[in-house]
Amino acid sequence: AQTVTQSQPEMSVQEAETVTLSCTYDTSESNYYLFWYKQPPSRQMILVIRQEAYKQQNATENRFSVNFQKAAKSFSLKISDSQLGDTAMYFCAFMRGSSNYKLTFGKGTLLTVNP
Amino acid sequence: EAGVTQFPSHSVIEKGQTVTLRCDPISGHDNLYWYRRVMGKEIKFLLHFVKESKQDESGMPNNRFLAERTGGTYSTLKVQPAELEDSGVYFCASSHAYEQYFGPGTRLTVT
Repeated sequence: AQTVTQSQPEMSVQEAETVTLSCTYDTSESNYYLFWYKQPPSRQMILVIRQEAYKQQNATENRFSVNFQKAAKSFSLKISDSQLGDTAMYFCAFMRGSSNYKLTFGKGTLLTVNP
Repeated sequence: EAGVTQFPSHSVIEKGQTVTLRCDPISGHDNLYWYRRVMGKEIKFLLHFVKESKQDESGMPNNRFLAERTGGTYSTLKVQPAELEDSGVYFCASSHAYEQYFGPGTRLTVT
């Protein structure tokens, strides 16, 4: 069975600064996907960024980028130029690369961006 | 394009009562998922539909939970009878392939 660990329950950052959220996972699969989801207060969860395990290049979406270390089974999220709207719960998630697309989530990291 | 919708947004029921949660996926998405987050814990997978068929229901906690998906469109999740430990937020998600789009969730409180 797969497990996903987010070791930082809460983090805070000043507006305009950079912050990195950690995520490690455990799996025996060779083909899989990794995701970061964001859930702002009282709003629904949205996909921030995804990474296919077979791709060596780290995914980037505007101010969001990942550091994917496959051998170390690490998948951290870097947020550059943090904005107040980035305040949210961030979930790291794992998905096997098969026909069953169920997600395995970490416990989440609550990120607060301070003005 | 309308997103995933869930109804109700909140439900407070007494132990032993029945509650039915509804999820309307994004139009055209064959895959529909139910997840649950109990306070302080991870979001856990409950089950996966492909059209109207249950692909994987390995996460369903027990036989008090019954999920259906009528004609491959909307889905319902019934809890009967509800217990205190069923309290939590129930999320629905839908997908065309592997990228899932989530609904806002239903917060269920069993007293």
